[in-house]
Amino acid sequence: NAGVTQTPKFQVLKTGQSMTLQCAQDMNHEYMSWYRQDPGMGLRLIHYSVGAGITDQGEVPNGYNVSRSTTEDFPLRLLSAAPSQTSVYFCASSYSIAPGQLNYGYTFGSGTRLTVV
Amino acid sequence: EDQVTQSPEALRLQEGESSSLNCSYTVSGLRGLFWYRQDPGKGPEFLFTLYSAGEEKEKERLKATLTKKESFLHITAPKPEDSATYLCAVQDLLSGGYQKVTFGTGTKLQVIP
Repeated sequence: NAGVTQTPKFQVLKTGQSMTLQCAQDMNHEYMSWYRQDPGMGLRLIHYSVGAGITDQGEVPNGYNVSRSTTEDFPLRLLSAAPSQTSVYFCASSYSIAPGQLNYGYTFGSGTRLTVV
Repeated sequence: EDQVTQSPEALRLQEGESSSLNCSYTVSGLRGLFWYRQDPGKGPEFLFTLYSAGEEKEKERLKATLTKKESFLHITAPKPEDSATYLCAVQDLLSGGYQKVTFGTGTKLQVIP
């Protein structure tokens, strides 16, 4: 059982470049999300999805795009990378029994460490 | 605005020396409080969910408790393998759904043999 798989693990981009961070889960989870983790700050929500075809913005969405064409995949696109986007990015998923209820918490991927120079 | 404050920022314990980590929170209404463990270079690993004041959950040497304003993660007779950063997070009942989860910055625990 792979859980949540993120690729790549490390990436260096030049300012202005674009790229896609990949996230896939094999647990048939309805809910998927992207967080960034920066030193001294808690995990901050970028975008989330409650099911295929449905996405919404989180706390820090600017400069990022997402789509959810299947239950399994939830890619995060950086449109034009900036040094402020240097961070560790985590994809997380969850299965909710009742709408709006996080019964089991999140399953996180192992992260992508992104550096923008 | 929801807030989560964890203390201390860092804690160093001798093996076998029990202690507690604190998570104080402010939310409009609490749907759930979560504890995670994060090892260096890895994603957070889910430990517990607590839903209401007075609730307790246990897992091996860890015990989580919840009051109306804070949660404690008690570590009994810790071992070096308990060394990690422990994250607390809260889900706000009134935000409209499970997208509103606020994380604290964590307590970095080091257990010395």
